[in-house]
Parts: sequence; C-alpha cells; structure tokens
Amino acid sequence: DAGITQSPRHKVTETGTPVTLRCHQTENHRYMYWYRQDPGHGLRLIHYSYGVKDTDKGEVSDGYSVSRSKTEDFLLTLESATSSQTSVYFCAISEEGSTEAFFGQGTRLTVV
Amino acid sequence: GENVEQHPSTLSVQEGDSAVIKCTYSDSASNYFPWYKQELGKRPQLIIDIRSNVGEKKDQRIAVTLNKTAKHFSLHITETQPEDSAVYFCAARSGKLTFGTGTRLTIIP
Repeated sequence: DAGITQSPRHKVTETGTPVTLRCHQTENHRYMYWYRQDPGHGLRLIHYSYGVKDTDKGEVSDGYSVSRSKTEDFLLTLESATSSQTSVYFCAISEEGSTEAFFGQGTRLTVV
Repeated sequence: GENVEQHPSTLSVQEGDSAVIKCTYSDSASNYFPWYKQELGKRPQLIIDIRSNVGEKKDQRIAVTLNKTAKHFSLHITETQPEDSAVYFCAARSGKLTFGTGTRLTIIP
C-alpha cells in the first residue's frame, strides 16, 4: 500500500464544534485530495491541492477549509460541524499527469 | 468543471456472465480515466485505467474502452465471479480527479 495515513479513523463530535482531519503521505506526491462518500453520491471532491500552499475547491467545498503547509500533510477543517457533514472522508494522493490515485483508509465522522 | 455520470447504479448478473458499466464525462480536456473497485468497508482501489491516446485496454477479464469523440468510456468484466461483487467507480482527470456516483455490482452464484 502507498504510504498514506488518515487520522483519526473515527470521530464523533457535536454540532457547532470545529473538527480537523489529517492526511499524511510519505510518497512525496504532488496532488492531494479530500473526498466525502455518502450513499447514492459516490465520491465527491471537497478540496484538492496541487502543491504546498496551492489548493482549490471541489464540488462540495462549502463549510470546509484546507491547508497544506508541507508536501506530506493535507488538513481538512470543518469550521462548525453540522449533521449534514456526517460522512466517510477519504484522502487520496497522486502524481501529476495520468497516474494512479491512492486512497487512505478513510475517516468515519459522525456529527451529533 | 468536470461532470462524470455513471450508469447503472446497480447491476446484478449471473456468475459467468459479463457486466458492463458506462460513464460519460463533460470536460474535453480530461485525459486520464481510471476505474476503482471498492469492497465493503474498504478504500477504493484501482483496477484498470486508460489514457486519452488509447481506445481500448485489457487486463485478463477486465477491459476498458474510450470514445473521446462521444466523451464516454466503459468497463467490461467477462466471466464474472463472486469476488467481483463490489462497488465500482469511474473517474476522469483534468487536473483534479472527478468520480462518478458508483455502480453496485452483485454476482449471483
């Protein structure tokens, strides 16, 4: 498996609290992505990064922010968690161009 | 931005028969089209991919075809086996990687 680790793996949090998920890679890949997976919606892109401090929005970015201060770490922050953000979150990494994307193990987030 | 549509959302086939999943994309700049398989409770994993300069690619029982003019690509699984049961995702890449909504494939023994 590619060197990609997500933390935490599971989290339960209360509505209105901030939450940060971490994605760490040891592959030195340029691209990093955050997706959420919900039944019937597949994998929807939240934000992605194409280099240190270079990020862009995906299709479901409202309520989320990201930061990438080092090549190996990509942080996803839910500024004020809502129940609609209960989901499984996957991080993925890839090199530039037509190359495989590798996924982390996923983080199951429950907002109560 | 890129939009990827995937059909069908569910598919059941008898063991030994073939399965076909189809996807369309909207961004003509997309040049890489991977297919992922996700088993229950696990992360998606790449099973096959195709680049825009190729029309077809085969790997044992799995094949993918690409029609750039029509902006669609398909996954073909032949001689299906119970272990092929999973959710399959297509994706298209133009910078960022955009996924379809997935197909739940069930192989009936």
